[in-house]
Amino acid sequence: GENVEQHPSTLSVQEGDSAVIKCTYSDSASNYFPWYKQELGKRPQLIIDIRSNVGEKKDQRIAVTLNKTAKHFSLHITETQPEDSAVYFCAAFDNNAGNMLTFGGGTRLMVKP
Amino acid sequence: NAGVTQTPKFQVLKTGQSMTLQCAQDMNHEYMSWYRQDPGMGLRLIHYSVGAGITDQGEVPNGYNVSRSTTEDFPLRLLSAAPSQTSVYFCASSVGQGFDEQYFGPGTRLTVT
Repeated sequence: GENVEQHPSTLSVQEGDSAVIKCTYSDSASNYFPWYKQELGKRPQLIIDIRSNVGEKKDQRIAVTLNKTAKHFSLHITETQPEDSAVYFCAAFDNNAGNMLTFGGGTRLMVKP
Repeated sequence: NAGVTQTPKFQVLKTGQSMTLQCAQDMNHEYMSWYRQDPGMGLRLIHYSVGAGITDQGEVPNGYNVSRSTTEDFPLRLLSAAPSQTSVYFCASSVGQGFDEQYFGPGTRLTVT
């Protein structure tokens, strides 16, 4: 089955700096890669996703890049703000392998004012 | 719309007891799933369903049963609770298969003593 590894597990940045979180996946057939944000005590919520026919996608201060050859994808947050502090999860989906969404272990991002 | 609802919010069980975690959605979503969240291990898929009457195992199905008699409801049953099942449980639903935005419920915090 699919295996998704996420790094780093914790990330501390100064307000205004950029943050980058990286994920690798094992199944080359995976074709959908979402990112979820989970604030403390809350449910995970989708912030951005990318499909395998696209190399990069942006939405205001967040962007995701995908390298299918290397089987890795990354989340980029620019001009970080204290409200960006949360746990971020990457995930990979392969609809040819049981319709399962596999999550990475999560990254706790702390933005210091 | 209420979205995805889960009950109870908190539960304490003794080892060997059984119980059912309830999950319901009012968005007419076909795909529903159950995850458990443990510190540092992300979200791990327990069971999922691609439609009424169809269920399948995820990554960590042992000790859990599910059923999907209606589109709206997807209960998770713990057969004989064990301390290793202490976790936060999230139910999620999406419009199509797993490659759509997952809408998560608020979670159930379960402690097994």
